[in-house]
Amino acid sequence: GIQVEQSPPDLILQEGANSTLRCNFSDSVNNLQWFHQNPWGQLINLFYIPSGTKQNGRLSATTVATERYSLLYISSSQTTDSGVYFCAVPIKAAGNKLTFGGGTRVLVKP
Amino acid sequence: NAGVTQTPKFQVLKTGQSMTLQCAQDMNHEYMSWYRQDPGMGLRLIHYSVGAGITDQGEVPNGYNVSRSTTEDFPLRLLSAAPSQTSVYFCASSYGVGSGNTIYFGEGSWLTVV
Repeated sequence: GIQVEQSPPDLILQEGANSTLRCNFSDSVNNLQWFHQNPWGQLINLFYIPSGTKQNGRLSATTVATERYSLLYISSSQTTDSGVYFCAVPIKAAGNKLTFGGGTRVLVKP
Repeated sequence: NAGVTQTPKFQVLKTGQSMTLQCAQDMNHEYMSWYRQDPGMGLRLIHYSVGAGITDQGEVPNGYNVSRSTTEDFPLRLLSAAPSQTSVYFCASSYGVGSGNTIYFGEGSWLTVV
């Protein structure tokens, strides 16, 4: 099946810093989603981004489907950005049955 | 609007016991699924359903049963609990089954099997 790898596994930031998280996938996909899991375990969908660039406040994401990677940018990080960020792609060519990467654990210090 | 509701939030089981994790959504979503999350890992798909009366297996279905008698409910049954099933379980739903539909997750059910 398709493999999804995320880097770095852990990231410690000082409040206000910028950072980039990476998601590599092993096969062509037509769906890629980024999720944030907060310290209380709640999972929130951040972006649906099969290609191109999207922005939502201080977060933005870019997917280069032809090169099989996606990037999540966090700008001016805040303590509320702490948690685990997951990218996920379909298990098969299409649909919402997702396979998740191992996640990047982010800690933003005040 | 309650979204996706899971119960119970915490449960401790003895090896060999059976139990059912409940999941309900009030958004009239066609697609529902169950994932498990083990420490330090991403989520893995257990079972999914594309509509009432239709279910199918995901990546890690062994030891679990599901049914979908109504659009709203998608319970996950552990037939004979094993310590390897200690995990956090998430139910999810989306309006459609195709890619591009936003997935909504429940708050998770923490299960410990001793």
